[in-house]
Parts: sequence; structure tokens; C-alpha cells
Amino acid sequence: AQSVTQLDSQVPVFEEAPVELRCNYSSSVSVYLFWYVQYPNQGLQLLLKYLSGSTLVKGINGFEAEFNKSQTSFHLRKPSVHISDTAEYFCAVSENDYKLSFGAGTTVTVRA
Amino acid sequence: GAGVSQSPSNKVTEKGKDVELRCDPISGHTALYWYRQSLGQGLEFLIYFQGNSAPDKSGLPSDRFSAERTGGSVSTLTIQRTQQEDSAVYLCASSLVAVVGDTEAFFGQGTRLTVV
Repeated sequence: AQSVTQLDSQVPVFEEAPVELRCNYSSSVSVYLFWYVQYPNQGLQLLLKYLSGSTLVKGINGFEAEFNKSQTSFHLRKPSVHISDTAEYFCAVSENDYKLSFGAGTTVTVRA
Repeated sequence: GAGVSQSPSNKVTEKGKDVELRCDPISGHTALYWYRQSLGQGLEFLIYFQGNSAPDKSGLPSDRFSAERTGGSVSTLTIQRTQQEDSAVYLCASSLVAVVGDTEAFFGQGTRLTVV
């Protein structure tokens, strides 16, 4: 069975600074990897996903993530954040089936 | 509707009462999932429906929890004899096909359940 660890529960960051959210997973088989975002008082929406191919995945709103198989990681990055990026971010993994396993989430707070 | 709709958005109930949570998936989506989001926790898988196949109930935490999906569309999650530890946000999601890798899951805004 797979599990997901998000290493940071809270990440404060200043506007226009870069941000990296760390995600590690454990699985014995090939996986699909996802990042979801939950803005205040809204539902979860997909930021990006890795299925196969290039290990660098680009998503919406300027986010990107890199799949590293040897380190079993899928870290999310953005070079310059905005106030509107304040949200909770969830990493998720699926072992080629329908059941998404989520991490505990990382709360990003962007300050002016 | 255009998205996944859940009702009620908030529910406060007394310990020991039964509650029903409703989910209307996106029209045409064959897969439907229920997750639970507790404070400070990740998203916990509860149950999955796909078309006419038997649902995967492996995530239901106890026999007080049950769910059904009528006509391959609307789903109801029922919690009997609610306990305070049941307090959480219950999220429903739907997707067009079963395999997560082929498509994304669209989430509703959730039902916040508070058991007092």
C-alpha cells in the first residue's frame, strides 16, 4: 500500500519569493502522482499530475513539480508567489487504480 | 450542474443521531468517491463507486457508515449513531473513468459535520 508524507505543515512566504513544497511517497510499484490545491472555502482542484514521460510537470498558475523516482519524491515549486496562492496544498498518489492516497497537506500563507 | 454538488454544506447533529450526506456528481461521470478530511489530517478514502460494479467499501471506518448510489448518479453517505470523532468535512468527488491516471477527480465543496 502507498503512503504520502508532506514534510512541511505550514509554509509562510513573502510575495514574489519562490516556494517549494515537499512530498515523499512510499510504494513498491509504479505510481501516478498529483498535487491538488484547496483555496479558502473552496473545494479541491487539480494543480498538476505525473503519469509517465518527462519528470518535470507543469501545471496551472505557474506551478511545476519534478518526479524523482530514486528519491521517491514529487516536490512542488513556484518561482514567484502571489497573495492569491495562499491555500492548502495536497500531494496524492495512486498505484494505477482509482484510490487516491493523500498527504496531510501543507498550508501556504503568502504575505505582502 | 457544472460541478459536484454536496448537501448540506454544514450539519450539526447530536451524538447518537443518524445523518445523511448527499452528493450529486457531474453528469456523465461514472466514478464517484467519498473522502473524509479531519482537522490536521490528510484526506481519508472512504468508499468508491464505478458504474454497476460492486463498490469498494474498504475505507469505511466502522459498520455505522454506509453509502449507496442510486441509478449510477446521486450518492448518499449515511452515518448511524454519530459519535464526536465523526466530526469532519466529508468530500465527494467524481471522475469520467475509473482509472485515476486517465483523468482527474473533481471534488465538491464538502459537508462539514459537527457532532455535539
